[in-house]
Amino acid sequence: EPEVTQTPSHQVTQMGQEVILRCVPISNHLYFYWYRQILGQKVEFLVSFYNNEISEKSEIFDDQFSVERPDGSNFTLKIRSTKLEDSAMYFCASSRTAYEQYFGPGTRLTVT
Amino acid sequence: GEDVEQSLFLSVREGDSSVINCTYTDSSSTYLYWYKQEPGAGLQLLTYIFSNMDMKQDQRLTVLLNKKDKHLSLRIADTQTGDSAIYFCAVGLGSGTYKYIFGTGTRLKVLA
Repeated sequence: EPEVTQTPSHQVTQMGQEVILRCVPISNHLYFYWYRQILGQKVEFLVSFYNNEISEKSEIFDDQFSVERPDGSNFTLKIRSTKLEDSAMYFCASSRTAYEQYFGPGTRLTVT
Repeated sequence: GEDVEQSLFLSVREGDSSVINCTYTDSSSTYLYWYKQEPGAGLQLLTYIFSNMDMKQDQRLTVLLNKKDKHLSLRIADTQTGDSAIYFCAVGLGSGTYKYIFGTGTRLKVLA
């Protein structure tokens, strides 16, 4: 069964450094998403991406964040200058239609 | 904004039924979802219900939707130890692309 994959599973970085989180969505999916879950808190929507552009973004998704689909298979989330409060589990999701999102296993980002 | 609430813990005995409850605030939600998260794993889509339905059954899972009370529940029949996990309720918002608003998650513990 096809699944969404994410790399790395755990990323440790120093405050102020740039990180890129990578996702490979399910191959025939058209919609792509990033969510995050700070430890002990709810899963929060960050951004949705369709037809090579951002469809919607939350207040969390400020100028420090960007997304890209550099080729036909990858979907990346870049955080330009990480802060301590960016430490969280980041989930990528994809869907063929707008309504059924399939999530990856997540990347745990630790900012020290 | 939209809020989704769940109780944090539920403990049941193996073989009993589990009922996990969720309340939400935004009546414009078109689809409502249940996801399962096992330790160290991502969010697995269990089932979802369209807002014009009252009930959906899928093997051991029954979803009930009370739109008037904005209440969603997930019933797991014949609960097994393998059902121990965190269960997330999510509501879908938007048109075109969709974002999910998640509840806090309910940790289900199944006692042998």
